[in-house]
Amino acid sequence: QVQLVESGGGVVQPGGSLRVSCAASGFTFSSYGMHWVRQAPGKGLEWVAFIRYDGINKYYADSVKGRFTISRDSSKNTLYLQMSSLRREDTAVYYCAKDRWNYFRDWGQGTLVTVSS
Amino acid sequence: AIQLTQSPSSLSASVGDRVTISCRASQGISSSLAWYQQIPGRAPKLLIYAASYLGDGVPSRFSGSGSGTDFTLTISSLQPEDFATYYCQYFIIDPYPLFAFGPGTKVDVK
Repeated sequence: QVQLVESGGGVVQPGGSLRVSCAASGFTFSSYGMHWVRQAPGKGLEWVAFIRYDGINKYYADSVKGRFTISRDSSKNTLYLQMSSLRREDTAVYYCAKDRWNYFRDWGQGTLVTVSS
Repeated sequence: AIQLTQSPSSLSASVGDRVTISCRASQGISSSLAWYQQIPGRAPKLLIYAASYLGDGVPSRFSGSGSGTDFTLTISSLQPEDFATYYCQYFIIDPYPLFAFGPGTKVDVK
């Protein structure tokens, strides 16, 4: 079955950088688009970024455009989110999700990123 | 950008109740809408996609309806495991893919 396992979260200072990862298994990773979705503590869901199956086209929410980069390595079945110029408001649980017809079909358990000095 | 609003923001209900949650889009989005359930501490789960299609393994007490700007999620007979927060989500493709969630509706015990 589909399994998505995020890792790499932690505490980072404002202005710092962090990369989170999502290891995928149970499906043909190279055939599916993938998303990052985040949820600030006690808040709702916010879509962050989407990468198409081939890794060529990438799309971002305005709130992270120019600061975050989504990428994938199909040889490792892994999705990445490189985050830079982090702000306190980027504090959230970051989920990866498998795309199916532009919906979020399968989700990982999330990894917590805390931006704090 | 298209905005989604949900009503109510929260509701209290009892097991066996029929529950209806509304999601309204600021512009027409055809049937490009999904519903998710999130239990505290857990990842969201896809319930309904394309406005009215049941997700894999989702109980038939859940149903979705609507198109254009007005959508509804209905739980025909609320079960103990259904106390959760529910989010609607839309997407557009033109001119480029864009995705967004509604603010959520929390269903708790009356």
